[in-house]
Amino acid sequence: DIQMTQSPSTLSASVGDRVTITCRASQSISRWLAWYQQKPGKAPKLLIYRASSLESGVPSRFSGSGSGTEFTLTITSLQPDDFATYYCQQYDTYPITFGQGTRLEIK
Amino acid sequence: EVQLVESGGGLVQPGGSLRLSCAASGFTFSTYWMHWVRLVPGKGLVWVSRIQSDGSTTNYADAVEGRFTISRDNAKNTLHLQMNSLRAEDTAVYYCVRSFADGNTIFDYWGQGALVTVSS
Repeated sequence: DIQMTQSPSTLSASVGDRVTITCRASQSISRWLAWYQQKPGKAPKLLIYRASSLESGVPSRFSGSGSGTEFTLTITSLQPDDFATYYCQQYDTYPITFGQGTRLEIK
Repeated sequence: EVQLVESGGGLVQPGGSLRLSCAASGFTFSTYWMHWVRLVPGKGLVWVSRIQSDGSTTNYADAVEGRFTISRDNAKNTLHLQMNSLRAEDTAVYYCVRSFADGNTIFDYWGQGALVTVSS
């Protein structure tokens, strides 16, 4: 199975900050990577697919980059609504695997 | 509007069985692959199973292979997950999930989740 490792596990930031979350794959997955946001008690929400394509309706302050084994999710100018847990997911090979999650908390 | 509504979760003893259902609406259910993904406490999201649009192909995570069965009724726009021989480590919130129409396993719509607790 392809292992997905996110860093950091927890990130403390303030409203208006720019933050970056990293996701590393244990083998190359080309650009077959998605990012999700999840808030407590809610279903995950798709943010980014194909490493850098923004899902419809997602604010442009979210962006993704990378290919192969290293990927990043960047949020510019953090808003109060952005404090949540973020997951990366590879869909290059079954079984589909997710990173362990990055909890973005208010500093 | 796409909607996925799970039902059937609950408390079950180890070794017991439970059947989850997911009622789909707002899209042509019979043309999409469907999945179950679980949120495991302290572990995050874990893919469980998938079923092809016509039900002809199914796949499972190793952890549930042989114990869980995914199925669908396209006439009733419903997805099911039959869970047998349940273990404590199956405790999770189970999500019914749709993947992109182009065949890529990108999860664009999720249900609200059904909590399954396996405990004596």
